[in-house]
Amino acid sequence: DSGVTQTPKHLITATGQRVTLRCSPRSGDLSVYWYQQSLDQGLQFLIQYYNGEERAKGNILERFSAQQFPDLHSELNLSSLELGDSALYFCASSVGPAGEKLFFGSGTQLSVL
Amino acid sequence: GESVGLHLPTLSVQEGDNSIINCAYSNSASDYFIWYKQESGKGPQFIIDIRSNMDKRQGQRVTVLLNKTVKHLSLQIAATQPGDSAVYFCAEKPMDSNYQLIWGAGTKLIIKP
Repeated sequence: DSGVTQTPKHLITATGQRVTLRCSPRSGDLSVYWYQQSLDQGLQFLIQYYNGEERAKGNILERFSAQQFPDLHSELNLSSLELGDSALYFCASSVGPAGEKLFFGSGTQLSVL
Repeated sequence: GESVGLHLPTLSVQEGDNSIINCAYSNSASDYFIWYKQESGKGPQFIIDIRSNMDKRQGQRVTVLLNKTVKHLSLQIAATQPGDSAVYFCAEKPMDSNYQLIWGAGTKLIIKP
């Protein structure tokens, strides 16, 4: 158990819909990262928050947004969903902002039908 | 663009033998490297990391070797066990990046009984 909690584990929705994925980092970790993993794309970095502030942005679509709350949990919002958004979405956390030694949650499997 | 690549997408090893998973990186400015193990249906799990001021680092049954001259990273697993079956990812962090890891495509390790 990494200590990172993600909910829900599975999500099935339709095209055009909006979903919210939730992540609680390990106790004491200030950074939260969101990754997308598709079969043909590997691990793609989406966005990082550190202590409530956006720290770095990767290949995150404009339809996607995230935030980190004062209690350090984070949410990833995916809107106007398309079939191609179907993937595993992972949250990871680390102590500091430097992107090292990330601990991953077990992921949310999103299926867009 | 920058990339971290793996020489072999699939590696089959006899149980009890040693496994060597290789990774090539392209950015000579990378100063941090890390290996993750991802079992089916789970999130990536940290195995071991190494900084560029080191050539070798050992953990429990695992050793990471870094050859900066040829920009090559390897993960050695001693006495491979069935539980080692997984996809293994290497990642690098260039000093000039926005603190984000650059991930390889992954190598699937298959253990033959």
